[in-house]
Amino acid sequence: GQQVMQIPQYQHVQEGEDFTTYCNSSTTLSNIQWYKQRPGGHPVFLIQLVKSGEVKKQKRLTFQFGEAKKNSSLHITATQTTDVGTYFCAGATSGTYKYIFGTGTRLKVLA
Amino acid sequence: ETGVTQTPRHLVMGMTNKKSLKCEQHLGHNAMYWYKQSAKKPLELMFVYNFKEQTENNSVPSRFSPECPNSSHLFLHLHTLQPEDSALYLCASSQDPYPGTSGRVNTGELFFGEGSRLTVL
Repeated sequence: GQQVMQIPQYQHVQEGEDFTTYCNSSTTLSNIQWYKQRPGGHPVFLIQLVKSGEVKKQKRLTFQFGEAKKNSSLHITATQTTDVGTYFCAGATSGTYKYIFGTGTRLKVLA
Repeated sequence: ETGVTQTPRHLVMGMTNKKSLKCEQHLGHNAMYWYKQSAKKPLELMFVYNFKEQTENNSVPSRFSPECPNSSHLFLHLHTLQPEDSALYLCASSQDPYPGTSGRVNTGELFFGEGSRLTVL
């Protein structure tokens, strides 16, 4: 079945350093979404990417969708303690409601 | 407040008990989901309902039985569970991402409830 892997599994950074998490799907996706889950919380939607090669920015966050629509990345510039949490990608194939979540990357930011 | 409400927030049950988890969404969405989140696995999709019809059953054991009486409510009936079923059960909803079906265009974004933390003894 479809699998979505993320690396790294964990990342500790000093506040102010950059952070990147990578997402890879075993199948071609129609779109990919990114979510953030704070400790003890529930996943919260960040963004959706639909087009091949698409790049979107939200303040310090940059999201990319690969040309083959099988991989994606999230880059955070100059991390802050508020960025702490687990970041998940979620991919869907065309015509389905089946969002398969990646394994997640847990980010810790040291002040 | 996400517009998706789950009850109970915490549930402890024995392996022979029967209980139900409830999810209600106030967003006018037409698709609802159950996900399981355990410590050692990523978010696992269990069931998807679209317009009250089950469109996905991700090989979930029959001891989990979903029910979707209308597009705003979703239940997960639990019976004869096992300790490894202990996890956070998350309900989510979304709007049909294809415009024209309901007159609204949406990203297909998932709105999650706060989850029901289940412990099976």
